[in-house]
Amino acid sequence: KAGVTQTPRYLIKTRGQQVTLSCSPISGHRSVSWYQQTPGQGLQFLFEYFSETQRNKGNFPGRFSGRQFSNSRSEMNVSTLELGDSALYLCASSTTSGVWNEQFFGPGTRLTVL
Amino acid sequence: SQKIEQNSEALNIQEGKTATLTCNYTNYSPAYLQWYRQDPGRGPVFLLLIRENEKEKRKERLKVTFDTTLKQSLFHITASQPADSATYLCALDGRGNSGYSTLTFGKGTMLLVSP
Repeated sequence: KAGVTQTPRYLIKTRGQQVTLSCSPISGHRSVSWYQQTPGQGLQFLFEYFSETQRNKGNFPGRFSGRQFSNSRSEMNVSTLELGDSALYLCASSTTSGVWNEQFFGPGTRLTVL
Repeated sequence: SQKIEQNSEALNIQEGKTATLTCNYTNYSPAYLQWYRQDPGRGPVFLLLIRENEKEKRKERLKVTFDTTLKQSLFHITASQPADSATYLCALDGRGNSGYSTLTFGKGTMLLVSP
């Protein structure tokens, strides 16, 4: 089975722009979660989608949004980029929603905001 | 406030020794605790899950303990190898804004195994 894929792998944007990141989960996985990873804060939960519905949201401003499609692929969008949004954005998929499930992570998208 | 603490200093050990990593938490009552390994530039990889009613879990050279009284999990790698060098993250279930549980990660501890 192919693993979780994320595109693009690297992205450079300037302040004020917006960005869309894409995640394709493992085939058959219906839950997709997004995380932001920075050296100072570690891995922080952004949101989880299950069957096209947002199940949970972390403590991030409304500039961060996401969606999930019927084929379980997910996108996250960050509008009005700030320097502090520079981070590694990871998505993870699992078979179902629930913290007892093993999370399969993608390689991440490295976003740099200048 | 809720906290998950892992030793921020790297753990340096010699090949063949047992590495022990610690995960302490406060103001959580997790039903599950997971451990992940992360290599530089890559996403975390799941290693083990332990439930609150399990004291210990083993998988090959890995062993995890979970003490809900001490609010602590220990992660052991026996007969460590240089290939075990990585950052190890613990994660437990925290209550999200919507009421659904979500995985909350510690910041991780870097393990360096020298030959």
